[in-house]
Amino acid sequence: GDSVTQTEGLVTLTKGLPVMLNCTYQTTYSPFLFWYVQHLNEAPKLLLKSSTDNKRTEHQGFYATLHKSSSSFHLQKSSVQLSDSALYFCALRMSNYNVLYFGSGTKLTVEP
Amino acid sequence: EAAVTQSPRNKVAVTGGKVTLSCNQTNNHNNMYWYRQDTGHGLRLIHYSYGAGSTEKGDIPDGYKASRPSQENFSLILELATPSQTSVYFCASGDAKGDTQYFGPGTRLLVL
Repeated sequence: GDSVTQTEGLVTLTKGLPVMLNCTYQTTYSPFLFWYVQHLNEAPKLLLKSSTDNKRTEHQGFYATLHKSSSSFHLQKSSVQLSDSALYFCALRMSNYNVLYFGSGTKLTVEP
Repeated sequence: EAAVTQSPRNKVAVTGGKVTLSCNQTNNHNNMYWYRQDTGHGLRLIHYSYGAGSTEKGDIPDGYKASRPSQENFSLILELATPSQTSVYFCASGDAKGDTQYFGPGTRLLVL
């Protein structure tokens, strides 16, 4: 069935280092991929989205490229900040449905 | 800025009791969603709606009912609450394609 997999549950990094959070998906439909971010005690918010193969999309210093050949949409940032500490969710929408399927989430903790 | 509100923000219920969680949106979005968030499971879709009078089952509808009496309001009803329904519940509204979903602040439900 359709699904999203985030392999890392917890990621801890020192400020200034690069990060990559993994996201892979399974679907037989044309995919739309999203990253949502949830800071502590807040609601999830859309960070970025894409449906175009091999095109990098960026927002607030984060970037991701949808690779349909490998069914991946990894989230990256070149230099993490303390304020990036949050829960990050990858989500999938199929082309003919109005619902999102969320991964289990990755908790990113950035240390001084 | 899109606005989704939820009430109550915190609720303690007894096993077997009835619980109603309310959601209101002022975005004039057709689509509304109810999720629950549990550690290790991410956001799981319970029910959703395409507009007033419609409700659809999500991935985990058992034990939950939903009601969409108007464009603005979407309720989640637990007729017979159980301890396994202890969780954080998020309501969201979404644009026509369901891509960008705007989440409410969440409701913490504890069923004793």
